[in-house]
Amino acid sequence: EAGVAQSPRYKIIEKRQSVAFWCNPISGHATLYWYQQILGQGPKLLIQFQNNGVVDDSQLPKDRFSAERLKGVDSTLKIQPAKLEDSAVYLCASSRGGQAAIRSYNSPLHFGNGTRLTVT
Amino acid sequence: QKEVEQNSGPLSVPEGAIASLNCTYSDRGSQSFFWYRQYSGKSPELIMFIYSNGDKEDGRFTAQLNKASQYVSLLIRDSQPSDSATYLCAVIGPGGFKTIFGAGTRLFVKA
Repeated sequence: EAGVAQSPRYKIIEKRQSVAFWCNPISGHATLYWYQQILGQGPKLLIQFQNNGVVDDSQLPKDRFSAERLKGVDSTLKIQPAKLEDSAVYLCASSRGGQAAIRSYNSPLHFGNGTRLTVT
Repeated sequence: QKEVEQNSGPLSVPEGAIASLNCTYSDRGSQSFFWYRQYSGKSPELIMFIYSNGDKEDGRFTAQLNKASQYVSLLIRDSQPSDSATYLCAVIGPGGFKTIFGAGTRLFVKA
């Protein structure tokens, strides 16, 4: 099975510029996640989709970050305008998810290679 | 209090020894528990998961869960230098909605 695809792998931008990341999950995976991982820290959930609906976006800085998942497959995460503290690796992950509802008790996450963002 | 806590380490063990990695979580209603390994510059990859009290073994790895103490651990037997990585504990909270990660423990296995 093909893994989670992410692009680009690396991105360097200046503060106040905008940037977008793309993710294509594993085929058939209903749940898609965007995590932010700052160096030396664990991944922090930004947003979680079940199909094309948002399950959780409580830690997404909505004044500058936005995400969408069109048709319940691919997803894009955008930052506009970027700040220095946004420098991090942005990880996309997918999981099968639960039955019918949005529970994912025993669904492990499959991660893409991530996008390393540097804001100067 | 952080939702998922791990000792950041580094934990250093000699080759062939048992490495013990620990994790505590704050929400008593948490449902499932995962261990991921992350090599430097790479993405996390699943090692194993556990959701019932007790031990679960998979090769050289054993996960242990104690829900009463809100504690989960990972034992790595016969540690190898290739096991040197950051180990992330992840917890699915009540309702099974979110997977929350700890900060990770860095493990060094000395040859």
